[in-house]
Amino acid sequence: GENVEQHPSTLSVQEGDSAVIKCTYSDSASNYFPWYKQELGKRPQLIIDIRSNVGEKKDQRIAVTLNKTAKHFSLHITETQPEDSAVYFCAARGLDTSGTYKYIFGTGTRLKVLA
Amino acid sequence: DGGITQSPKYLFRKEGQNVTLSCEQNLNHDAMYWYRQDPGQGLRLIYYSQIVNDFQKGDIAEGYSVSREKKESFPLTVTSAQKNPTAFYLCASGSASVQETQYFGPGTRLLVL
Repeated sequence: GENVEQHPSTLSVQEGDSAVIKCTYSDSASNYFPWYKQELGKRPQLIIDIRSNVGEKKDQRIAVTLNKTAKHFSLHITETQPEDSAVYFCAARGLDTSGTYKYIFGTGTRLKVLA
Repeated sequence: DGGITQSPKYLFRKEGQNVTLSCEQNLNHDAMYWYRQDPGQGLRLIYYSQIVNDFQKGDIAEGYSVSREKKESFPLTVTSAQKNPTAFYLCASGSASVQETQYFGPGTRLLVL
């Protein structure tokens, strides 16, 4: 079945440094790739997304890149701050056999930004 | 996100009991989803629905049931057949439009007494 692999599972960086989280998906028909940030006990919140017809998207300190050929996409956070500490999930969206959008999530990356 | 509500925030289940988690959205979204999240784990899909009166099983549907009688509502029942129901349950909704993403409700934490 479809699968999304996410690495690393934990990541510690010094405040001000950059953080990179990588995901690989298996379904070549996937056309949309959101990234969510989840703080402890809270709901996942969308932070950035990218569609399959775009190679890169940036929003202030956050950027996402997509390599459709390799089926890789990555989240880049620059100038990290303590409030960036959370669990980050990638996801890939595709259509199932009934024509319904279905999301496959990565297993998450726990990011710790050390002050 | 404010357009998706889940209740209750905490739910306690006794042995052999069925419990129902509520999910309502006022975003006019066609698709709704239920996910289970165990501590320190990712999100696993339980059930999802694109239209009223139709739904599909996700990866871990055993021990759960759903209904979609109204576009706005997608309740999840955790049956007694689900032997390990303790988890954080997240409901989400999304448009069928390729332009829109999926948004999550605040979640229900289910605990077994």
